[in-house]
Parts: sequence; C-alpha cells; structure tokens
Amino acid sequence: DTGVSQDPRHKITKRGQNVTFRCDPISEHNRLYWYRQTLGQGPEFLTYFQNEAQLEKSRLLSDRFSAERPKGSFSTLEIQRTEQGDSAMYLCASSSPPGREYNEQFFGPGTRLTVL
Amino acid sequence: SQQGEEDPQALSIQEGENATMNCSYKTSINNLQWYRQNSGRGLVHLILIRSNEREKHSGRLRVTLDTSKKSSSLLITASRAADTASYFCATASYNTDKLIFGTGTRLQVFP
Repeated sequence: DTGVSQDPRHKITKRGQNVTFRCDPISEHNRLYWYRQTLGQGPEFLTYFQNEAQLEKSRLLSDRFSAERPKGSFSTLEIQRTEQGDSAMYLCASSSPPGREYNEQFFGPGTRLTVL
Repeated sequence: SQQGEEDPQALSIQEGENATMNCSYKTSINNLQWYRQNSGRGLVHLILIRSNEREKHSGRLRVTLDTSKKSSSLLITASRAADTASYFCATASYNTDKLIFGTGTRLQVFP
C-alpha cells in the first residue's frame, strides 16, 4: 500500500537552524496539502498545491516558511531560522484529481519537529 | 485558526456503549468530514456528509448535519477498545480545497 509518506518522522533542531521536510503523496493524486498540528489541537492548514502550482497559503505561513512541489510529485517544506514556537507535528495530505464529487484527503504519518 | 469547536473535549466510556461527539462550525460549507487520529498514527478519514444531506451511516458510524445550526454529530455505536482515539471534524468550503479542523474529542473506551 503506497500511502502518503513523510520524511523524517522526527526532527530535533536548535533554535535558528533551518529544517526541511519531505512529503511523497499517493502517486495518482495531483493535490498536496501541508498542515501543522500542535499538542491538543486540530490540524491547521498551511498551504496546498495542484500539480506544481501553489494555490493557497495561510497567513500562518510566515516568510520563514517556504513550500515547493517542483515537478508536481513530492513536496518539501522548509523552515528557516526556526523558533521554539515552530515545534509541532507537520502533516502532509494528498487528494485525487478534480472531477471527483468531493475531496477526501489522505494524510501521512507526519513529521514531529522539536526546536530546542 | 480553527473553524469551530468539538464537544465534549474528552469522553470515557465502557466497551459496548455508544459514543456521541458534537462539532460546531462558523461559516457555510460544501461538506463536513470526520477523521480519527490514533497516537503514533496519522489522520484517517471516516465519513463525509454533504451540505444537502442530513444523515449518513457507515458501519457503526452515524453522522448528522444541521446546517441551520452549523453543527454535526458523530455517533459510534457498540464501541470497542480499538475506537480509542481523537476524533476531529473538518469542514470544506465551496471555493477552496483546504480543510478547517475542529479542536477534537479524545475518546477513551475501556474494555
């Protein structure tokens, strides 16, 4: 079963360092989403792509955050100059192409970031 | 920011009992979805209900939607210890693909 995969699963970094996470969606899905989840809260939307185009970005995504999906397949999320407030679980999801009646999103296991 | 809130925040029941959790949201929606999240595992999609539907069933799950009250409920019948998880509602609007999640209900089912 080739579901959504994320790498790494855990990342511990020091404040001020840059980190990059990778997400590989389900192969036939052309939509890819990033969410952030802090302890005890539901996931919060960050951004999403259709193929390689970034269609929407949340105001939560500060200038230190950048996401790419260069070939419309895998995506990377980079956080520059990390802060302790960036500590969270970063979730990736993908969904099927347009034409479906609704949009069920399939989530990966997440990358847990701890900023010391 | 979260779309709305879920109630209760935490629920503890015995195996075999039914569990009901409620979700309220703030804006008009295209559909509402429920997800389950176990510790150490990702979010798993459970069921989707469209804005023009009032009730939907899937196995032991029953979802209702009241768009006039901007609320939904999830009923899990004959609960099992394996149902122990956090449950989130998520809404999808007409003009965007993003999901807006609620704050979640932590369900504990004791054997």
